[in-house]
Amino acid sequence: SYELTQAPSVSVSPGQTAMIACSGDALAKQYTYWYQQKPGQAPVLVIYKDRERPSGIPERFSGSTSGTTVTLTISGVQAGDEADYYCQSADSSVSQWVFGGGTKLTVL
Amino acid sequence: QVQLVESGGGVVQPGRSLRLSCAASGFTFSRCALHWVRQAPGKGLEWVAIISFDGNNKFYADSVKGRFTISRDNSKNTLYLQMNSLRAEDTAVYYCAKAGSESPEYMDVWGKGTTVTVSS
Repeated sequence: SYELTQAPSVSVSPGQTAMIACSGDALAKQYTYWYQQKPGQAPVLVIYKDRERPSGIPERFSGSTSGTTVTLTISGVQAGDEADYYCQSADSSVSQWVFGGGTKLTVL
Repeated sequence: QVQLVESGGGVVQPGRSLRLSCAASGFTFSRCALHWVRQAPGKGLEWVAIISFDGNNKFYADSVKGRFTISRDNSKNTLYLQMNSLRAEDTAVYYCAKAGSESPEYMDVWGKGTTVTVSS
């Protein structure tokens, strides 16, 4: 199995840009997906296939990739963006789906 | 709109069994793969299992392989998770999730979850 690594926490002030990274060897070959989870709620997909946004997700959310590291960027952070963010990928060779440990975004 | 509603959670003793259900609506159920994902208290997300649109292909996390069985009834638009030989570490909120419209690699809609507590 493989692992995806995320920093436990990121803090930014309102209006600033938050960058949440996810690293893993498999990410050089596989797509990455990002989910937002607010306390007591189910996860919500915010980025798919590295950089695509589902309908209804603000343009402030974007994804990028560089080698084995992918990044979720949230521009103009708002208080409502405070949540846990999880990266996820799938290893099709062994039919396993993996989540990163999650990053808690705090808006100061 | 697309909706997934889990049920069947509860408190169960170690070693016992429990079956979760997930009722789906708002999309063509029989054309979509489906996942189960769980989240232990205060912990991150853990993928549990996936089933193909027709039920012919099933894959499991190593942590549940041999104990859990995913299945579906396309005539009832319902997904199931049969959990046997439950352990304390299976305590979690269990979410069903619809596989992405472009690929089964991701989950594009999630239910609100049902809580399973394994305790004596």
